Amino acid sequence: DGGITQSPKYLFRKEGQNVTLSCEQNLNHDAMYWYRQDPGQGLRLIYYSQIVNDFQKGDIAEGYSVSREKKESFPLTVTSAQKNPTAFYLCASSASRDRGNEQFFGPGTRLTVL
Amino acid sequence: LAKTTQPISMDSYEGQEVNITCSHNNIATNDYITWYQQFPSQGPRFIIQGYKTKVTNEVASLFIPADRKSSTLSLPRVSLSDTAVYYCRLSGYTGGGNKLTFGTGTQLKVEL
Repeated sequence: DGGITQSPKYLFRKEGQNVTLSCEQNLNHDAMYWYRQDPGQGLRLIYYSQIVNDFQKGDIAEGYSVSREKKESFPLTVTSAQKNPTAFYLCASSASRDRGNEQFFGPGTRLTVL
Repeated sequence: LAKTTQPISMDSYEGQEVNITCSHNNIATNDYITWYQQFPSQGPRFIIQGYKTKVTNEVASLFIPADRKSSTLSLPRVSLSDTAVYYCRLSGYTGGGNKLTFGTGTQLKVEL
């Protein structure tokens, strides 16, 4: 069953702690993305990666870090430098040969910082 | 990257046709237009994609005029389950994986 998985679905952390969100895909997609969504708002791009061992900052990368050591995995770390980390985080992937860059999204992780 | 503009919200009734228009005045020559649907606390899912003229699939139609400065998603005979946020997104072919940004979306509310 192909798709994108994100874990956990809900995550609670204390202020000042780093936390890593998992994203795995078995679609054999080269490109992966992380978005943040706040209540009533659209998706804002945090980081994206076109190939393994390479990634670029999106529009709101400050306070976040990523790695792309494997094609199927693109974990996102929310650091203590992120001022307002509480949000819904979405991971996506797309195929390198898709001219329209159709993205497939995971179910999301809702992070709450207490 | 070209910016997209959509209405913030729309209301409709079951059985009606709904048309949501997205403006993208600065669309690039190689940009495709893609529409996504998102339910609360879920990831967006693909609805339809096009480059020019009209595209139709089993759930929607996409109308793109010749100048491509706008596009219209048409949902025939909506039902309550079509209540969701709809996003218009542009993307160019660069071999995959580029800065794909979304607008604020249109909240569609369908009532009985």
